[in-house]
Amino acid sequence: GQQLNQSPQSMFIQEGEDVSMNCTSSSIFNTWLWYKQEPGEGPVLLIALYKAGELTSNGRLTAQFGITRKDSFLNISASIPSDVGIYFCAGHKAAGNKLTFGGGTRVLVKP
Amino acid sequence: DAGITQSPRHKVTETGTPVTLRCHQTENHRYMYWYRQDPGHGLRLIHYSYGVKDTDKGEVSDGYSVSRSKTEDFLLTLESATSSQTSVYFCAISSQGDDQPQHFGDGTRLSIL
Repeated sequence: GQQLNQSPQSMFIQEGEDVSMNCTSSSIFNTWLWYKQEPGEGPVLLIALYKAGELTSNGRLTAQFGITRKDSFLNISASIPSDVGIYFCAGHKAAGNKLTFGGGTRVLVKP
Repeated sequence: DAGITQSPRHKVTETGTPVTLRCHQTENHRYMYWYRQDPGHGLRLIHYSYGVKDTDKGEVSDGYSVSRSKTEDFLLTLESATSSQTSVYFCAISSQGDDQPQHFGDGTRLSIL
């Protein structure tokens, strides 16, 4: 079953806002990945994290590998309408294991 | 996209019929994966391959089989489709293994009536 909990499940953004989402687990992970999926397309890799405490940016996106290795965070600064989509976290626990995916955070634009 | 083509992109078929989905990659990557995506379940691994003729089962493999006769092609077969297999199916590839980023195709939306 799903071992990664993403929150919030959905959020509304207003242009210019900074937004945050996170991914947590009761297990330790060695790799954290963040993907974005738009309608009718497959997930696209945004950021990959490989060390506890690591902070990595990709444009307006910043992700962090939690110190406990049980969580990861994704921040979007100065939101724009094209940030709409579903953001997935994925983690890899140890050799022999496959990637585990979270259920996604759906980002929508405030009406 | 990372040189991954899934076909067909959409398919509607009837319960009990066989269905084959194709994933074709032009990246020469060794690792290939099939996932299904359903509301409330995220992405779940069906089968994976570490190379030609080297495949294994994932989390939700019942009712599915796969074949990989060439590096570039990974086929997913539903021998006798059931309505519970209605889903969006994604193929993914990786150059370096399970702990490295996977790159996804655009999916096949399969409806079984």
